[in-house]
This record gives sequence, C-alpha cells and structure tokens, in this order.
Amino acid sequence: QVQLVQSGAEVKKPGASVKVSCQASGYPFGTYGINWVRQAPGQGLEWMGWVSTYNGQTQYAQKVQGRVTMTTDTSTTTAYMELRSLRSDDTAVYYCARGVIVPSARAYYFDYWGQGTLVTVSS
Amino acid sequence: EILLTQSPVTLSLSPGDRATLSCRASQSVTSNYLAWYRQKPGQAPRLLIYGASSRATGIPDRISGGGSGTDFTLTISRLEPEDSAVYYCQQYSNSPGTFGQGTKLEIK
Repeated sequence: QVQLVQSGAEVKKPGASVKVSCQASGYPFGTYGINWVRQAPGQGLEWMGWVSTYNGQTQYAQKVQGRVTMTTDTSTTTAYMELRSLRSDDTAVYYCARGVIVPSARAYYFDYWGQGTLVTVSS
Repeated sequence: EILLTQSPVTLSLSPGDRATLSCRASQSVTSNYLAWYRQKPGQAPRLLIYGASSRATGIPDRISGGGSGTDFTLTISRLEPEDSAVYYCQQYSNSPGTFGQGTKLEIK
C-alpha cells in the first residue's frame, strides 16, 4: 500500500534551518511528484511547493520562495524539504503529499499524505 | 490566485442527518478541478472527492460532491459520529493550488 513516512518533530531557534524527510513506498517513486503543505497551529492548509521525483524540477509558493529547497533521493525514495532563516510564524505541522496532476490543470490534488512533522520555532 | 470561501464555518448536526458544506471560488474553477479533504484532530488530511464529484478510493457513497464554475458542495448523508472533522476544499485548476479555510462539522 502507498505510504509516506516523515521524520520526527523538530525544535529550532529563529534564524536556524530545518530539513524534513518523507520516505515513500508502495508505488513507483518517479511517477508522482511530492508536494509540501503546512498547517500552523489551529489554522488551515497552505501549499508550499512541489518537487518532481522524475527530474528534480521544483515550484515554490511565493511566500517561501528564497528560503525553501525541495529535493529528492531516488535511491532511497525519499523527498526532503529544507526551510532556512526560520521565524516564529514558521511554527507548523509540515506534511508531504503525493500530487496527482491531470491534463490542463496547473496544480495538484493530493491523494496520499504523510503523517506530518511538527516544527517549532522558538527562542 | 483563486480564493476559496467555505461556509458555514461550523456545522452542528445529529447522527442520521444530512450535511451540506459549501465552497465558493473567487473565479471559475476550470474543468471543475476541485477536491475535498477531511481532517480529524491530530491526523493528516484525507482525500474524499476530486474532480468536484469523483469519490476517492474507499470513500462510501453517502459522501458526494457536486457543483461547477464557482459554487461547489460536499454532501454527507446519514451522518455518523466518525464524520466529526474539519473539511477543506481545494482548487487545482490554477497555480498555486489553494485551500478554503475549512468547515468544522460537529456530530451532537
């Protein structure tokens, strides 16, 4: 069965970086892109970006552009999301999600999600 | 970017009732590229509906989606206690894909 398993919770100080991993299994890794979505405490869902598991191409949301890097390692079927220059408002649960693209659509819907990784930014 | 507004913010119903959740887009959602998700406390979202009306794998037929253009609905019939959750709509016709702010469904 399809599974996305994320790394554990992190506590970081403002200005630091965090790298969250997402290991995929149960399907051919290179056939679906991995998206990252975050959710601040008590808030809604915010799409952060996408990485192609085929060729490493990326697309980032404007809000985190310049601070985020998404990568993949096909040998371990793992995707990574690194966020730099952390601020208190980056405190959130970060989810990876398998993205489904359909013809003529310009974005993805998400059919499988990781369990989430809580990143807390606090001095 | 397309703004999605969900209503009501909170809905409180009894087991066996029917719930109707609304999602309104600030501009037309091309080809009805709209999805619905359910999120229970402490869990990741789960895909319910894609393409406005197609049920995801394992979703029972008492959950249905409809609508087109700018107005979409999620209907849950014969409510069960397990339906208590926050429901989000998401459009994927335009980049960036965007989510509504969510509707909290409480089963009394």
